[in-house]
Amino acid sequence: DAGITQSPRHKVTETGTPVTLRCHQTENHRYMYWYRQDPGHGLRLIHYSYGVKDTDKGEVSDGYSVSRSKTEDFLLTLESATSSQTSVYFCAISPGTVNTGELFFGEGSRLTVL
Amino acid sequence: LAKTTQPISMDSYEGQEVNITCSHNNIATNDYITWYQQFPSQGPRFIIQGYKTKVTNEVASLFIPADRKSSTLSLPRVSLSDTAVYYCLVVKNAGNNRKLIWGLGTSLAVNP
Repeated sequence: DAGITQSPRHKVTETGTPVTLRCHQTENHRYMYWYRQDPGHGLRLIHYSYGVKDTDKGEVSDGYSVSRSKTEDFLLTLESATSSQTSVYFCAISPGTVNTGELFFGEGSRLTVL
Repeated sequence: LAKTTQPISMDSYEGQEVNITCSHNNIATNDYITWYQQFPSQGPRFIIQGYKTKVTNEVASLFIPADRKSSTLSLPRVSLSDTAVYYCLVVKNAGNNRKLIWGLGTSLAVNP
């Protein structure tokens, strides 16, 4: 299995508090992604990174920020969590090979905002 | 607007062949088609990828017609353990601006 870990795996927090999810990879892959998965919506892209300090927004980026200060770590921050951000968050990594659709996903982080 | 469409759910029985079709009408020349499998409480797992015609690996086959506006994932002789959600993904490459167009997933139930 690809070396990708997410932390924390489970978190319960209250509305208005900041939350940071961490994705760590040992594969030296170029691309890293943060998705959220909700029933009926499939996988929706929040942000992605195509290199250190190179990030871009996905389709549901409002309320989220990311940082990638080194190749192996991609952080997702909810500055002020809301109940609508209760979800399962998946990190994925992908090599920089052109055209590849092969992503390796983490095990997910289940976030509950009360 | 690029869109990937697949059936919401399918039912099958052990030992049967299952074919899941995905529609991607706006596919472009440089786009690739990929399929994933997801079990509950796990991240999606890559199954197979193709560009045109037919690709086969130890798990599945992928059929892509000449116009590439659809693709069919074929699972031979399914077992109960193939019960999962299957996602179709179109990868659109444009320099660093890579776009991944996911379908909403097909929930496959394999019955005894």
